[in-house]
Amino acid sequence: DAKTTQPPSMDCAEGRAANLPCNHSTISGNEYVYWYRQIHSQGPQYIIHGLKNNETNEMASLIITEDRKSSTLILPHATLRDTAVYYCIVRVGGIQGAQKLVFGQGTRLTINP
Amino acid sequence: GAVVSQHPSRVICKSGTSVKIECRSLDFQATTMFWYRQFPKKSLMLMATSNEGSKATYEQGVEKDKFLINHASLTLSTLTVTSAHPEDSSFYICSATGWGTEAFFGQGTRLTVV
Repeated sequence: DAKTTQPPSMDCAEGRAANLPCNHSTISGNEYVYWYRQIHSQGPQYIIHGLKNNETNEMASLIITEDRKSSTLILPHATLRDTAVYYCIVRVGGIQGAQKLVFGQGTRLTINP
Repeated sequence: GAVVSQHPSRVICKSGTSVKIECRSLDFQATTMFWYRQFPKKSLMLMATSNEGSKATYEQGVEKDKFLINHASLTLSTLTVTSAHPEDSSFYICSATGWGTEAFFGQGTRLTVV
């Protein structure tokens, strides 16, 4: 699986949009971009994933650049409960997606009141 | 999203004893389950991958005789830490995935060996 690079930490004010970047310059054509987050002492939580089109769900939006070498996770109105470590992971999806997730160090996002 | 239940959430055991951790997929059939461990302030480290009905595949450096994994059904996988020692104290997390689905994670188990 392709390697990802994320900033180790970020801060964001409550109520503002949190934009978390991820570089994945070696991504292959059949690899998806997945985002998970881990709140302290809990298991990771799935947020969103995408292949090449931008995606949006009730939790977040995912913006993938046209060349697919980077992406941004957007939490539109961050709350204190969004404080967590956010992991960007690249892996093969679809029916071949039953493959291991390899976690990097992630970005520790702190939402400040 | 799908629900993966992990039990127990916390366990304290004496050095030399064995501990079993269960991971259940409650509303989908998990063809593949994964076991991770996580040390404080560190990322998740994959230990092994298990497919229902077959032997687990362990990552390099993980002792298969130390960490016994069983995946006997499409909804249950177990991790047994045998002859536990204080250095095995960690946060253990399972995840489950089915065909064409994302991986969903359990709540984690905090193991403390005293």
